[in-house]
Amino acid sequence: AQSVTQPDIHITVSEGASLELRCNYSYGATPYLFWYVQSPGQGLQLLLKYFSGDTLVQGIKGFEAEFKRSQSSFNLRKPSVHWSDAAEYFCAVGANQGGKLIFGQGTELSVKP
Amino acid sequence: DTGVSQNPRHKITKRGQNVTFRCDPISEHNRLYWYRQTLGQGPEFLTYFQNEAQLEKSRLLSDRFSAERPKGSFSTLEIQRTEQGDSAMYLCASSLMVDVYGYTFGSGTRLTVV
Repeated sequence: AQSVTQPDIHITVSEGASLELRCNYSYGATPYLFWYVQSPGQGLQLLLKYFSGDTLVQGIKGFEAEFKRSQSSFNLRKPSVHWSDAAEYFCAVGANQGGKLIFGQGTELSVKP
Repeated sequence: DTGVSQNPRHKITKRGQNVTFRCDPISEHNRLYWYRQTLGQGPEFLTYFQNEAQLEKSRLLSDRFSAERPKGSFSTLEIQRTEQGDSAMYLCASSLMVDVYGYTFGSGTRLTVV
């Protein structure tokens, strides 16, 4: 069965500092991987996705993620965090194109001034 | 493109009542999904449609839950005989070419059962 683990429930970083949010997945075949961001009381906004090809994926708002098959990971990174990045971040895995997504528990990001 | 629209945004209901939520996907999207999200958790898959056909339904979905997508356009999610445990955010998403556009989520309907 597919599963997603986000080991960090809450992370606090200083504005301007770099950020890495961890995501580990469990799936037998090549997964389709996503990162979404959610602000309080809102829906989810797609940051980036990986289907195939280059394992370093660029997304919106200056985010990037790297797919590492050997580590079953898809960590999200940003070189310099802005206060507006404070939100909940979800990693998700899909088994096939257009099918359901399995989400991790989420990582809440706080940004210190 | 007005995005995925969900109505109502908030719903408060008494335990035992029935509720129905509506989702209007992006018009050209052929797939539509329902998820449930409780506080501090990631969204949990409930069910999804391709056009009007319901392709998959989670085992989490009890008999009290039913979803429809008549004519492959909007969808409704009905919960009968609501329980306090049904209190959650219900999210709808739609997709066409997920490898290009991903899944687009609506803002959700927050259900509170009192």
